[in-house]
Amino acid sequence: DTAVSQTPKYLVTQMGNDKSIKCEQNLGHDTMYWYKQDSKKFLKIMFSYNNKELIINETVPNRFSPKSPDKAHLNLHINSLELGDSAVYFCASSKRGRSGTEAFFGQGTRLTVV
Amino acid sequence: GESVGLHLPTLSVQEGDNSIINCAYSNSASDYFIWYKQESGKGPQFIIDIRSNMDKRQGQRVTVLLNKTVKHLSLQIAATQPGDSAVYFCAERAGFGNEKLTFGTGTRLTIIP
Repeated sequence: DTAVSQTPKYLVTQMGNDKSIKCEQNLGHDTMYWYKQDSKKFLKIMFSYNNKELIINETVPNRFSPKSPDKAHLNLHINSLELGDSAVYFCASSKRGRSGTEAFFGQGTRLTVV
Repeated sequence: GESVGLHLPTLSVQEGDNSIINCAYSNSASDYFIWYKQESGKGPQFIIDIRSNMDKRQGQRVTVLLNKTVKHLSLQIAATQPGDSAVYFCAERAGFGNEKLTFGTGTRLTIIP
């Protein structure tokens, strides 16, 4: 009964390749996020979607393109991968409109670019 | 810019003792704060939250204190257990309706048996 699930858990790929990470949530939330965690454990938001609409787009290279086919899914596609893209990527979801924004996180996808 | 920072990057505590993890934030408009726990190889897990109209909130073995005057947040864990060993993050939301959570740099808590 995984609430927020993302695949794959590990991804090793060569520079220049294109890859996708998928995320699904079964919590009935209407807002989903992608976060990037670097080697120093720093967590930074990349994107947020609410009901399939992009609402947060931090300063992220346009090689990163999120896609939300429906409000339960938010995928992340990365073109022309670079060494600096190596990190752990976390998907999260929350229910907008509540006075708090408790986000539930997936288990993460460890991306290694070689 | 807005930032959320922690005073101590690492903290070691004897099992059974209490621990306090501190967090400083700079955005006075932040109205909601969360503490997350991240165990090795896992995603951040919600521990406790607090809204800016409160200064204290208690959960099971955890207490969060908020001091808006000095923009300081702390997480107290009572009677620590080995399972409390993890990286702890504070996060802030910059005002109602703003979905963005800004995370602090994290504190690694190690419980010594």
